[in-house]
Amino acid sequence: DAKTTQPPSMDCAEGRAANLPCNHSTISGNEYVYWYRQIHSQGPQYIIHGLKNNETNEMASLIITEDRKSSTLILPHATLRDTAVYYCIVRVQETSGSRLTFGEGTQLTVNP
Amino acid sequence: DGGITQSPKYLFRKEGQNVTLSCEQNLNHDAMYWYRQDPGQGLRLIYYSQIVNDFQKGDIAEGYSVSREKKESFPLTVTSAQKNPTAFYLCASRPRGGNQPQHFGDGTRLSIL
Repeated sequence: DAKTTQPPSMDCAEGRAANLPCNHSTISGNEYVYWYRQIHSQGPQYIIHGLKNNETNEMASLIITEDRKSSTLILPHATLRDTAVYYCIVRVQETSGSRLTFGEGTQLTVNP
Repeated sequence: DGGITQSPKYLFRKEGQNVTLSCEQNLNHDAMYWYRQDPGQGLRLIYYSQIVNDFQKGDIAEGYSVSREKKESFPLTVTSAQKNPTAFYLCASRPRGGNQPQHFGDGTRLSIL
């Protein structure tokens, strides 16, 4: 499995951009990077995913380095409601189907 | 509304009893998944199913069983053989194939008394 490494915690001021890094140095050429977030006692919420190009949607932007060994999730204008644990995941394709392997994520705290 | 429904949200059982957690989806997704989450930790995969009447063990399948008789339903049974069943259980689904993401239900918190 491709493993991911994230800082355990980060802080961000409300209204500023939150940049969450993720290392996935063993990623294979056909493995996608997914980002989810989880607010306490709720199910994870899908944010964005990508293969090698930068991606943007209404929630966030995903920047993947050219060698694909790392990525950054950007929340352009963080709000207090963005406080959550953010998971960076590489999806593994097996003969029996694909699966996600979750690490411990990054606890993002947005401060007023 | 389309989505994934897990019920109940909180479940209490006596030690030694089997208990079944419900997961239903109306998204017409082929693949479904069960995860376990312990406090302060990430999700760990218990079982997954890519198609009706077929399922595979995940990383921590011991003490659990599943069935997939219908596309929309993937119940998880926590058996008495599971040594530490108290946890937060999450169900997810996604379309089979391609790179579409998994979508999650709101979870069931199981407590063994």
